[in-house]
Amino acid sequence: DAGITQSPRHKVTETGTPVTLRCHQTENHRYMYWYRQDPGHGLRLIHYSYGVKDTDKGEVSDGYSVSRSKTEDFLLTLESATSSQTSVYFCATQGTGNQPQHFGDGTRLSIL
Amino acid sequence: RKEVEQDPGPFNVPEGATVAFNCTYSNSASQSFFWYRQDCRKEPKLLMSVYSSGNEDGRFTAQLNRASQYISLLIRDSKLSDSATYLCVVPRGGSTLGRLYFGRGTQLTVWP
Repeated sequence: DAGITQSPRHKVTETGTPVTLRCHQTENHRYMYWYRQDPGHGLRLIHYSYGVKDTDKGEVSDGYSVSRSKTEDFLLTLESATSSQTSVYFCATQGTGNQPQHFGDGTRLSIL
Repeated sequence: RKEVEQDPGPFNVPEGATVAFNCTYSNSASQSFFWYRQDCRKEPKLLMSVYSSGNEDGRFTAQLNRASQYISLLIRDSKLSDSATYLCVVPRGGSTLGRLYFGRGTQLTVWP
């Protein structure tokens, strides 16, 4: 859907290690988003981007950073992973601000 | 008042039944609305967009009541494959163009 690929699809790592998740899109969409989804919380916005090198924080940005050096790639980095960051992470893209967002398949991340 | 509120359900209905979900929103400036469905452990997928008073797509009808600030989703002739969580999504608008409010979802189970 909308040519969005997330990698890795699954990852298990230890507390304190750095983790980078990648979102790649082939639709040339301007807007890209990173969400996490946890039971009882629904989808929560971590960071988003409205163009190359233009990013901003969402509601739950602490402990996360992002980079967007190319239109097609949006990276999410956990500098020092904690167990509270165990979650399912979804990337989404959007062509214009009035259009719906389209989601990637998700990354299941477990921090032990 | 939360930005988007949905009845979490669960709704358990037999095949062939008609079921309706309601969603209320707080941002009166919102112009477009979306319904997504999410299957267990999968990404949210766009079901319908609503830009005016409503939209119909086969067995699915979405209606918008701007005065009362609610959106409804009606599913007729329910199928087993309709079992999923349905997310009501409302754009934030204004300076946060592109960003969305996601409801926590309404769970539907259709039984044989």
